[in-house]
Amino acid sequence: EADIYQTPRYLVIGTGKKITLECSQTMGHDKMYWYQQDPGMELHLIHYSYGVNSTEKGDLSSESTVSRIRTEHFPLTLESARPSHTSQYLCASTGDNYGYTFGSGTRLTVV
Amino acid sequence: EDKVVQSPLSLVVHEGDTVTLNCSYEVTNFRSLLWYKQEKKAPTFLFMLTSSGIEKKSGRLSSILDKKELFSILNITATQTGDSAIYLCAVGSGAGSYQLTFGKGTKLSVIP
Repeated sequence: EADIYQTPRYLVIGTGKKITLECSQTMGHDKMYWYQQDPGMELHLIHYSYGVNSTEKGDLSSESTVSRIRTEHFPLTLESARPSHTSQYLCASTGDNYGYTFGSGTRLTVV
Repeated sequence: EDKVVQSPLSLVVHEGDTVTLNCSYEVTNFRSLLWYKQEKKAPTFLFMLTSSGIEKKSGRLSSILDKKELFSILNITATQTGDSAIYLCAVGSGAGSYQLTFGKGTKLSVIP
């Protein structure tokens, strides 16, 4: 079944650690996105990609980086995690019909 | 700057009530308007609207778009406790690109 997968679902990590949040989709979508959502707040776009080797920063400034080496894979990396990075990170993808499909999210806590 | 405004931000109703959630927007290069339901995890897709005046229905939920007045409504009839969630409105825009701008959401609580 075509879907979008995020791992891990929950992560608690110490300050200064490097982390990579994984996102993979099996739908062959060209467009992929990372959103950050704090509790009770709206989703903010932090990164997006329209295809392999194409990545752009979104509206919300983020210290994270992304890569798109394969169509199906769009990982997000924090080189040095800080408590201010504590949030939920949602990955999404869309094809030509423009309906976003979201992954289950990664809830990150930096202590 | 693209903007999506939802109202009300919070709503408490009794089971069986009918609710209407509102979404207004200001975007350049409008492509689509989407409604999502978010419970404890990721948003789940409800509707995508691209044309004015055409109602989309799924069970007790329905939605319609007015591109002239730049708003959409989401109706839920005969509400159930399982409808309790945050309902997100998002507008897709961009010429040659495509991004969603989300509203803050409406938190709906349905009490027995």
